[in-house]
Amino acid sequence: AQSVTQLGSHVSVSEGALVLLRCNYSSSVPPYLFWYVQYPNQGLQLLLKYTTGATLVKGINGFEAEFKKSETSFHLTKPSAHMSDAAEYFCAESHGNTYDKVIFGPGTSLSVIP
Amino acid sequence: GAGVSQSPRYKVAKRGQDVALRCDPISGHVSLFWYQQALGQGPEFLTYFQNEAQLDKSGLPSDRFFAERPEGSVSTLKIQRTQQEDSAVYLCASSFPRGAMNTEAFFGQGTRLTVV
Repeated sequence: AQSVTQLGSHVSVSEGALVLLRCNYSSSVPPYLFWYVQYPNQGLQLLLKYTTGATLVKGINGFEAEFKKSETSFHLTKPSAHMSDAAEYFCAESHGNTYDKVIFGPGTSLSVIP
Repeated sequence: GAGVSQSPRYKVAKRGQDVALRCDPISGHVSLFWYQQALGQGPEFLTYFQNEAQLDKSGLPSDRFFAERPEGSVSTLKIQRTQQEDSAVYLCASSFPRGAMNTEAFFGQGTRLTVV
């Protein structure tokens, strides 16, 4: 069965510091991988996605993630945190045979300290 | 509309009451998904439609949950005899089917259901 794990339910960083949010997937078949962000009382917004091709994926708001098949990981990074980055982040995977059923991880809450 | 629209945004129901949650997907999107997000958790898949056909309802937690999309556009998630454990945010998403393009699922803002 597909599953996505996110190490650390809560991460705090100082403003301007590196953001690193960890994600591991379990599928033996390389899946499509996603990072979504959710601001309070908002829906999910796609930050970036990996489908095929280049393993380093750049997304919106300065975020990027690298697909590492050998580590079954898809960690999310941003060089310098902004206060506006405080939100809930969800890693997700999909490789339905016929449709894009997306399986989400439990989420990581990011706090940015001034 | 420009995005996925869900209504109502907030719903308070007394235990035992029936509720209906509406989702208006992005125009032309074939695929539609419902997810349940409990407080502090990631979204959990409930059901999937391709046009009007419900192809996967494996995530529906009980037979009190029912979803429909009769004309292949608007969808309704109905919960009968609501229980306190049904309290959650219900998210709807739409997308094109795989094969048309590298797609992403676009999510609505959700309906927050509170059962008292």
